[in-house]
Amino acid sequence: EPEVTQTPSHQVTQMGQEVILRCVPISNHLYFYWYRQILGQKVEFLVSFYNNEISEKSEIFDDQFSVERPDGSNFTLKIRSTKLEDSAMYFCASSEADEQYFGPGTRLTVT
Amino acid sequence: GEDVEQSLFLSVREGDSSVINCTYTDSSSTYLYWYKQEPGAGLQLLTYIFSNMDMKQDQRLTVLLNKKDKHLSLRIADTQTGDSAIYFCAERTVHKLIFGTGTRLQVFP
Repeated sequence: EPEVTQTPSHQVTQMGQEVILRCVPISNHLYFYWYRQILGQKVEFLVSFYNNEISEKSEIFDDQFSVERPDGSNFTLKIRSTKLEDSAMYFCASSEADEQYFGPGTRLTVT
Repeated sequence: GEDVEQSLFLSVREGDSSVINCTYTDSSSTYLYWYKQEPGAGLQLLTYIFSNMDMKQDQRLTVLLNKKDKHLSLRIADTQTGDSAIYFCAERTVHKLIFGTGTRLQVFP
């Protein structure tokens, strides 16, 4: 069964460093998303992406964040200058229509 | 604003039915979803319902939607220990999903 994959599973970085989280969505899906879950809190929407552009973004998704689909298979989330409060589990999701399928997540720890 | 609420914990005996409840605020939601999260794992889509439906059944899972009261429930029949997890409801508005806090289901023998 096709699934969304994410790498790395765990990323540790120092405050101020740039990180790139990678996702491979399900191959025939056209809509892509990033969500995050800070420990003990709700899963929060960050951004949706369709047809090579952002279709919606939340207030969290400020200028420090960017997304890209650099080729036909990968979808990336870049955080330019990480802060301590960026520590969270980051989930990628993809959909063809109504259903959103999530990847296993990348745990980002900012020290 | 958009908000989704769930009770935090539910404990049931193996073999009994579990009912997890959820309330949401956005009347323009098009779809409502149930996801399962096991420890250390991602979000597994269990089922979803279109907002103009009242009920959807999928094997042991039954979703009930009361659109007037903005209330969604997930019933798991014959609950097993493998059903122990956190269950999230989510409403979809345009592109994004708004998640609830999650309900931790504990199944005891």
